Amino acid sequence: DTGVSQDPRHKITKRGQNVTFRCDPISEHNRLYWYRQTLGQGPEFLTYFQNEAQLEKSRLLSDRFSAERPKGSFSTLEIQRTEQGDSAMYLCASSLRAQGYTFGSGTRLTVV
Amino acid sequence: GQQLNQSPQSMFIQEGEDVSMNCTSSSIFNTWLWYKQEPGEGPVLLIALYKAGELTSNGRLTAQFGITRKDSFLNISASIPSDVGIYFCAGQGPSNDYKLSFGAGTTVTVRA
Repeated sequence: DTGVSQDPRHKITKRGQNVTFRCDPISEHNRLYWYRQTLGQGPEFLTYFQNEAQLEKSRLLSDRFSAERPKGSFSTLEIQRTEQGDSAMYLCASSLRAQGYTFGSGTRLTVV
Repeated sequence: GQQLNQSPQSMFIQEGEDVSMNCTSSSIFNTWLWYKQEPGEGPVLLIALYKAGELTSNGRLTAQFGITRKDSFLNISASIPSDVGIYFCAGQGPSNDYKLSFGAGTTVTVRA
């Protein structure tokens, strides 16, 4: 297993467009997390899945954001009607239990 | 926003020096974690601490979980050029076992 995989690594989009990111967790991990990181800050929690169930959404996740994990394996994060403030690194992580988070390399989003 | 106060914000190291950084919180945590992040990559776990008072080493890295459960420090001994990067502390629990709260990071740079 090569760890947590995120695609794409970089995305440049025009304001108002929709974007979708994909995360493939470590195969035996049932927990999956999305975080957002802006320049000069640590990652901030967005949402958490246990298997296919989305168990918590941060208030940072406005109604333009939606995340899914349809079969309890890979996950997608969609941002609709992107705004310049959405520019950030979007990090996915997975774990088997509460401990042992492994992060992916992230998707860098730039909204122009 | 960030719950953890991490200091210093940045530091310059000379090869061979010992360096130290710390993290404090207004809330208690069950777990303290230290990560390193390099440009364009996700955070990589360096050390995990699970018990108040615990002192754990990983090679030249040593970290401690404060007795009050509200602080932690990381020491790097005999620094080498590849120690450059951004170091983040993160706390987990007790109100939930899945969400990490990160500090803003300590940027370590080699002194010319």
